[in-house]
Amino acid sequence: DTEVTQTPKHLVMGMTNKKSLKCEQHMGHRAMYWYKQKAKKPPELMFVYSYEKLSINESVPSRFSPECPNSSLLNLHLHALQPEDSALYLCASSPWSSGGLFRGSTDTQYFGPGTRLTVL
Amino acid sequence: AQKITQTQPGMFVQEKEAVTLDCTYDTSDPSYGLFWYKQPSSGEMIFLIYQGSYDQQNATEGRYSLNFQKARKSANLVISASQLGDSAMYFCAMREGGGGANNLFFGTGTRLTVIP
Repeated sequence: DTEVTQTPKHLVMGMTNKKSLKCEQHMGHRAMYWYKQKAKKPPELMFVYSYEKLSINESVPSRFSPECPNSSLLNLHLHALQPEDSALYLCASSPWSSGGLFRGSTDTQYFGPGTRLTVL
Repeated sequence: AQKITQTQPGMFVQEKEAVTLDCTYDTSDPSYGLFWYKQPSSGEMIFLIYQGSYDQQNATEGRYSLNFQKARKSANLVISASQLGDSAMYFCAMREGGGGANNLFFGTGTRLTVIP
């Protein structure tokens, strides 16, 4: 089973709201990722968690705050977003942690269905 | 320089025909992996196929095969017997080895439309 789940599927929020996106996987993967994808563009990496510790933050504004409460769960807390933050937010997981040597197919990232976020 | 280049913004294929989606890559790392993902309009990125730089044979997964030409740094996806459900955006991606972050470098994608 290579399932990554994300909730909610759709989210509309105002610029003063606080909301959270949730991602869950039960594959025993130790790396989890948040990506942002604008329309007609490839995904852009935002954060990487490795063994529940933040290992990469790709210069993401502080209005996005990731959290990894345990090895199966990844949250993205949103606060004071801007309309340009409207996008598809994708979560992914992979068996191995970031860093270290490439381990071949076991480094495959599996994605969730995404959350379509609209900021008004 | 772009790490992954997909030169076909859009492709059309007749149902039941085969189609090749192009992907070229740029890396100086001898260890790397190449991935293809399918993204339907629903948004989910679906992993299709993987090719490692040291793999001797081209990868195959059902109707998907990867035409890996290492010297030319190309990793084209071949979809045989196209189906209407194959209509989607297709992304080629690369993961470099040798340490560092587990970053996937994505191409700009190719939108495939299967015509009945």
